[in-house]
Amino acid sequence: EPEVTQTPSHQVTQMGQEVILRCVPISNHLYFYWYRQILGQKVEFLVSFYNNEISEKSEIFDDQFSVERPDGSNFTLKIRSTKLEDSAMYFCASLGWDEQYFGPGTRLTVT
Amino acid sequence: AQSVSQHNHHVILSEAASLELGCNYSYGGTVNLFWYVQYPGQHLQLLLKYFSGDPLVKGIKGFEAEFIKSKFSFNLRKPSVQWSDTAEYFCAVNYGGSQGNLIFGKGTKLSVKP
Repeated sequence: EPEVTQTPSHQVTQMGQEVILRCVPISNHLYFYWYRQILGQKVEFLVSFYNNEISEKSEIFDDQFSVERPDGSNFTLKIRSTKLEDSAMYFCASLGWDEQYFGPGTRLTVT
Repeated sequence: AQSVSQHNHHVILSEAASLELGCNYSYGGTVNLFWYVQYPGQHLQLLLKYFSGDPLVKGIKGFEAEFIKSKFSFNLRKPSVQWSDTAEYFCAVNYGGSQGNLIFGKGTKLSVKP
């Protein structure tokens, strides 16, 4: 069964550094999403992406964040200058017929 | 702002007990409702969903949920839980079309004692 994959599974970075989180959505899906979950809190929507552009973004998704689909398979989330409060689990998802399929997540730790 | 509330943070049950997890959402027009489950160390996966039609929805692994529009609720039920149901359960909604972003509740951790 096809699934969404994410790399790396765990990323440790220093405050102020740039990080890129990678996702490979399911191949025939067209809508892609990033969510995050800070430890002990809700899963929160960050951004959705369709037809090579952002279709919706939340208040969390400020100028420090960007997304890109650099080729036909990858979907990336970049954080330009990480802050301590960016430490969280980041989930990628892609939309099938009417259901979002989630990846296993990348745990980002900012020190 | 639109929101989803899950009433129970942690539920502990013995095997064969019945389960009901509460979920309420704020009004926002046409709503699609979901329950996701996350087993330890695994992906979020869909248990069941409601878009329209019969408000009693059956999902995988013997789970069901009932949409009660007047109460803005979508509670998850299972008549008899098993140890393998130990997981975290998330209620989620999106508004408008299915491509909309999901709004999640805080999740309910279910621990089933063998």
